[in-house]
Amino acid sequence: DAGVIQSPRHEVTEMGQEVTLRCKPISGHNSLFWYRQTMMRGLELLIYFNNNVPIDDSGMPEDRFSAKMPNASFSTLKIQPSEPRDSAVYFCASARQGRVTEAFFGQGTRLTVV
Amino acid sequence: DAKTTQPNSMESNEEEPVHLPCNHSTISGTDYIHWYRQLPSQGPEYVIHGLTSNVNNRMASLAIAEDRKSSTLILHRATLRDAAVYYCILAVTDKLIFGTGTRLQVFP
Repeated sequence: DAGVIQSPRHEVTEMGQEVTLRCKPISGHNSLFWYRQTMMRGLELLIYFNNNVPIDDSGMPEDRFSAKMPNASFSTLKIQPSEPRDSAVYFCASARQGRVTEAFFGQGTRLTVV
Repeated sequence: DAKTTQPNSMESNEEEPVHLPCNHSTISGTDYIHWYRQLPSQGPEYVIHGLTSNVNNRMASLAIAEDRKSSTLILHRATLRDAAVYYCILAVTDKLIFGTGTRLQVFP
């Protein structure tokens, strides 16, 4: 398996633009997580899904952020409109439900909003 | 979520054992103890987990105190590739909440 695949690896966008980050989880995994990492705040859990259903989105910072999982093999994290403080590395991770102790992370998307 | 306390940084020499401590005095009976690590410029990766008994795998060993209020991740022979931030996490549900971790430096 290729592991968790995130795209793009790097994204530079202007303030106010819409940004969409993409994630393909490992086949057979039915839990998916979105994290954000910054120097100031460390690794923050934004949202997680079980069987394509959002279970806990309490970490989503504000209404500008939204996440979807239309099927078991694809998820998106959208920021609209983007702001410079959204600059961070965004990680997607997947796991078998009930085996979350062994979550597998993607390589991350480094987002820069200028 | 129960809180963990780890030293900010530790140092080791290559090929020496490393003991990374974690305190979790408010752990509940159903909390699993997880360890993840994050190598430079990579996403976190799973290392090991346990509930009550000590655990071993190909990467490391996990020693859990009898009262479960602390645990220690043991790298038996540190290599330069083990330089990373190590996170100790408590979780019973699907939520893995990362703290600040311990930054391990390994010197040749």
